[in-house]
Amino acid sequence: DSGVTQTPKHLITATGQRVTLRCSPRSGDLSVYWYQQSLDQGLQFLIQYYNGEERAKGNILERFSAQQFPDLHSELNLSSLELGDSALYFCASSVEGVSGGPGGEQFFGPGTRLTVL
Amino acid sequence: AQKVTQAQTEISVVEKEDVTLDCVYETRDTTYYLFWYKQPPSGELVFLIRRNSFDEQNEISGRYSWNFQKSTSSFNFTITASQVVDSAVYFCALSEGGMDSSYKLIFGSGTRLLVRP
Repeated sequence: DSGVTQTPKHLITATGQRVTLRCSPRSGDLSVYWYQQSLDQGLQFLIQYYNGEERAKGNILERFSAQQFPDLHSELNLSSLELGDSALYFCASSVEGVSGGPGGEQFFGPGTRLTVL
Repeated sequence: AQKVTQAQTEISVVEKEDVTLDCVYETRDTTYYLFWYKQPPSGELVFLIRRNSFDEQNEISGRYSWNFQKSTSSFNFTITASQVVDSAVYFCALSEGGMDSSYKLIFGSGTRLLVRP
């Protein structure tokens, strides 16, 4: 058990819908990263939050957004869903160093498997 | 540009054989971090090792060993006396910091290891 929790574990929805994925980082970790794993794109970085603020964006679609709350949990919002959004979505948390510098390894949650029908 | 290449898509071995998974990376930074993660059939991502660019010592952990060579930009992973439970997809990843100060992971495409009894 990595200490990172993600809910729900599975999500089945229809095209055009909106869903919210939730992530709770390990106690004390300030950084949350979101990744998408799909068959055609592999594992891709989407977005990172550090202590409530967005730090970096990767290949994240405009239909997707995220936020990190004061208790450090994070949510990834996916809207206007398309078939191609079906994937496994991971969040990871990390202990960053002082001022957000390099820390240790990233610990991954169990993932949310999203199926868009 | 950052890139991680895992040229071996799939490897199949018989139990007790040794197997090496290759990883080649590209980066312009002098400070970076390399990782290996395991993804068993259950789907979670399990951290195996983190190595920083200034530490070229090889590491051994039980049946696992890692060979980091900056001269060839490689970070290979060897499993000695493989077991059926080692069957999984293994990902090599790179993290740099970069201009956005994000230590996001750049993953290779993964190597699927099948250990047959």
